Amino acid sequence: AQSVSQHNHHVILSEAASLELGCNYSYGGTVNLFWYVQYPGQHLQLLLKYFSGDPLVKGIKGFEAEFIKSKFSFNLRKPSVQWSDTAEYFCAVNAQGSARQLTFGSGTQLTVLP
Amino acid sequence: DTAVSQTPKYLVTQMGNDKSIKCEQNLGHDTMYWYKQDSKKFLKIMFSYNNKELIINETVPNRFSPKSPDKAHLNLHINSLELGDSAVYFCASSHGVGGPRETQYFGPGTRLLVL
Repeated sequence: AQSVSQHNHHVILSEAASLELGCNYSYGGTVNLFWYVQYPGQHLQLLLKYFSGDPLVKGIKGFEAEFIKSKFSFNLRKPSVQWSDTAEYFCAVNAQGSARQLTFGSGTQLTVLP
Repeated sequence: DTAVSQTPKYLVTQMGNDKSIKCEQNLGHDTMYWYKQDSKKFLKIMFSYNNKELIINETVPNRFSPKSPDKAHLNLHINSLELGDSAVYFCASSHGVGGPRETQYFGPGTRLLVL
């Protein structure tokens, strides 16, 4: 079965600081990877996704993520965060050949201080 | 022109009651899902339907019964509500048959509080 770990439960940064949120998954086969963001009181929105090809994927709002297969990781990055990036960030995996089930990590709460 | 909508947004009820949450999508998607987000923000899938047919049914108590009258709607009915059912319930939809590469689009969530 697939699983996802997000080790950073709560990250606090000042504006303009660089961000990296960790995501590790466990599944031996081909995976499809997603990062979703949930702004306070809002629904989940897709930030970016990786299926195949270039392991560095760019998403909306200046976010990017790098898939490192050997480390089973898909970390999210942003060079300079803004106060409006304050939100909960979820990594998710949907494995090829799985029972069509999107599995989420436990989320990382990012707080950006003005 | 909301893509995935849910009603109600908030639901406060007593233990033992029966309640329903409605979900509608106007994206023309074929697959719809229900997720439960607990107090620790952990999201877990409950059900998914493709063209009104159940394709995922996770370990969820029988008190939870999804109903899909057509492919644009997936409602969630909960019988005999318990305190542990308090959570945020998210509906989602995707184009296609619910395959692993499909992007899921989420509704705004329904915050259920059982007293």
